[in-house]
Amino acid sequence: SQQGEEDPQALSIQEGENATMNCSYKTSINNLQWYRQNSGRGLVHLILIRSNEREKHSGRLRVTLDTSKKSSSLLITASRAADTASYFCALRLYNQGGKLIFGQGTELSVKP
Amino acid sequence: GAGVSQSPSNKVTEKGKDVELRCDPISGHTALYWYRQSLGQGLEFLIYFQGNSAPDKSGLPSDRFSAERTGGSVSTLTIQRTQQEDSAVYLCASSLAGQGASMSYNSPLHFGNGTRLTVT
Repeated sequence: SQQGEEDPQALSIQEGENATMNCSYKTSINNLQWYRQNSGRGLVHLILIRSNEREKHSGRLRVTLDTSKKSSSLLITASRAADTASYFCALRLYNQGGKLIFGQGTELSVKP
Repeated sequence: GAGVSQSPSNKVTEKGKDVELRCDPISGHTALYWYRQSLGQGLEFLIYFQGNSAPDKSGLPSDRFSAERTGGSVSTLTIQRTQQEDSAVYLCASSLAGQGASMSYNSPLHFGNGTRLTVT
């Protein structure tokens, strides 16, 4: 399969704790992106990391990418109840044009 | 400005009927994507349009599914002879993909709110 595999499938934490979600893949990529989805509707882009980058930050989000291990992680620090959502990694595959393949997602629940 | 618009937001149809789902991308976005999401699942890639290039149809699950993009803007996803397993949320996204590789591949997708299709 070309898609990303996410781990864990579901994560439940208390407000203020950090949340870490992982994405592993099997093929070469141009970049890896993380998206958030509320209520099973449209997705919102969070952050993009290119294949030649190792770490990126955006507010309370930190993304790492290890191309040798073909894995990425998304860390949300100091989580809030409003962070409750599903989070998806998406792969821009190398040599496959603009196609973007999504993983199965991690369902995050942040309890107040 | 306006985001990606999809219509209808909900569609209930009888098995065997044809349906058309519409996507109006963000103005100026040259790339357009269709995905399908079953309940509690990830996004399944269906088709990708980029400018005037031939679309990437590699994700269409059967020949009952087809999509068009007229004038490089609005897209229509058509499902013929619908089956119950076609029930899902159909999501459309667009992006500011340019002609150069550096721009094409590093533009995020902007999603619509989807069409929830129920086949009875």
